[in-house]
Amino acid sequence: DAEITQSPRHKITETGRQVTLACHQTWNHNNMFWYRQDLGHGLRLIHYSYGVHDTNKGEVSDGYSVSRSNTEDLPLTLESAASSQTSVYFCASSEFSWEPQHFGDGTRLSIL
Amino acid sequence: KQEVTQIPAALSVPEGENLVLNCSFTDSAIYNLQWFRQDPGKGLTSLLLIQSSQREQTSGRLNASLDKSSGRSTLYIAASQPGDSATYLCAAMNTGNQFYFGTGTSLTVIP
Repeated sequence: DAEITQSPRHKITETGRQVTLACHQTWNHNNMFWYRQDLGHGLRLIHYSYGVHDTNKGEVSDGYSVSRSNTEDLPLTLESAASSQTSVYFCASSEFSWEPQHFGDGTRLSIL
Repeated sequence: KQEVTQIPAALSVPEGENLVLNCSFTDSAIYNLQWFRQDPGKGLTSLLLIQSSQREQTSGRLNASLDKSSGRSTLYIAASQPGDSATYLCAAMNTGNQFYFGTGTSLTVIP
């Protein structure tokens, strides 16, 4: 069965370090998305991509970057981790904007 | 900027009861609206997606309605079961293809 997987599931790191979260989907979807989920804020869009070499900023993109070199993967990089980036991060994909998004199980990131 | 609100934040009902979850949004120029279920420690599972041209969608015991003019959507769950206990999230997609999520309603169905 097609799926979307995120790794690692949990990570603890220190402020100032570079961190990369992986997202891999086997749906062959064009659209991929990164969200963060925080108590009281719900899910907020960080970055999204509509295809290979396409990336776009979402609502809360400062301090994050993505790159899309193939259809299956959209890694999320925190260039210099800050404590405010402690959160649960979700990756999602969809074939078209009018179709449901499929979500991974999330990465819980703690920055000390 | 689109603001999505879900009230109540938490709801507890006895098994077998029919219930309605509410979602309101401030910008009626939405492309579609999606309802999700989230179990603890898990990602989101899509339940129903309503296009802006539609008024409702049904899947099994679930029925979602959309009223763009009033900025409201409801998720109706019939004959609730303990397995329905989860957090339910709604998300509105604007024409810019960005989803805006509510903070969710945590549902507990008591056996």
